[in-house]
Order: sequence, then structure tokens, then C-alpha cells
Amino acid sequence: QLQLQESGPGLVKPSETLSLTCSVSGGSISSTSYYWGWIRQPPGKGLEWIGSIYSSGNTYYTPSLKSRVTISVDTSKNQFSLKLSSVTAADTAVYYCARHWRYSGYDYFDYWGQGILVTVSS
Amino acid sequence: QSVLTQPPSASGTPGQRVTISCSGSSSNIGSNTVNWYQQLPGTAPKLLIYNNNQRPSGVPDRFSGSKSGTSASLAISGLQSEDEADYYCAAWDDSLNGSVVFGGGTKLTVL
Repeated sequence: QLQLQESGPGLVKPSETLSLTCSVSGGSISSTSYYWGWIRQPPGKGLEWIGSIYSSGNTYYTPSLKSRVTISVDTSKNQFSLKLSSVTAADTAVYYCARHWRYSGYDYFDYWGQGILVTVSS
Repeated sequence: QSVLTQPPSASGTPGQRVTISCSGSSSNIGSNTVNWYQQLPGTAPKLLIYNNNQRPSGVPDRFSGSKSGTSASLAISGLQSEDEADYYCAAWDDSLNGSVVFGGGTKLTVL
């Protein structure tokens, strides 16, 4: 059974960079047709896709965050990571990592991590 | 303001059938498949419907999805108390370089 687990600091200071890692177990991050994505959810609000990466390094980012986001992959560790720079209180959210099936016109997140709350505060 | 539009709330009594709508545009629902996610309180979202109307293994057939033009719907029949959750629609949007867009979510209350 595929499992994803987010890890990283739960508190980040304003203007600093948020860094999270998603560890994948029970399957290979190099699997064909799968991207690996980050989605966030501010407290009491809806879901927002941040971006997704393929094992080759190809990425998609949401336009509103593209200038501040970097998603990278480490196939040797079966992990992928998120960096969000110049954070403000508006970036406070639960951050989820998920497997992103993106092939043949299908596009969905079928496995999700449990999520990690990141608070931006001094 | 979400790209996909959902009603903020819906409700029904046990055993009833409820539907949740999701409205988009030609660049997202109109040209790509729609997915639905269920988020129970305090948990991560779970894929409920993919490719407009397909259920992943383990999802009861009480849940069904449909799409027409630039709109989609999620139907839940035989409503149960454990269905009380937030429901989100999502689709790929072809505008700019492409992105995943979500609806704002619908909170379903079982009365």
C-alpha cells in the first residue's frame, strides 16, 4: 500500500522559506505516468494546488505561486520536496503531498499524505 | 474566489439523495475530466470520483458523478451519517501553462 508522509518545520518566520519533504513508501517515485504534487489548505478554507513534479524533473506550478515555489525530486531517496519563499501569514496552512495521476486525459490525486500544519509567525 | 464554483453547503436526511453541483468553464470542466474528493473532519482528502464518473476501489456505489458541458455533479444516494463531510470538485485547467483547479468546497450536513 502506497504511503506518503510530509515532514518539516511546523513554524516558519515571515519572509523566510518554507521547506517540506514528502517521503514515499510502498511504491517507487519513478513510476510511469505519476506526478507527485503538493496541495495546501488554509485553516477553515478550501484546497489549493501548489504544483506537481514528474520523476524526470518536469514541473507544473499554480500561476499565483509560481514566482515563489520550487518543487524538486530525489529519486534515490524516494522523496520530493517543496520550497516556498518569502512566506507571509497567508501561507499558513495544512500542506499535503499526494500522488498525481496525469495521463491519457485523466488527472487526479489518488493517494494523500496526512498533512502537516505550517504556521507562519514571528 | 475559486475557479470552480460549488454551493457552500448542502444537507439531507438519512436515506435521501443529495446532489452537489460544480460549475466551471471551457478551459477546465469543458475540456477535461472532473474529480471529486471527500474530506471527513480532521482528515486528508480522499479521492471519491475520478474521470467524471469512475469510483476508486472501495468507494460505495451510492456515490456517482456526472458531467455535462462546463458543469458537473456529485450525487449521493441513501445518505448516511458518515457521509457528513466537505466535498471538493477539481479539474485540470488548460489556461496559461495548465494547472489543477479546485472548487471552494461544499459542506454536507446529514440532518
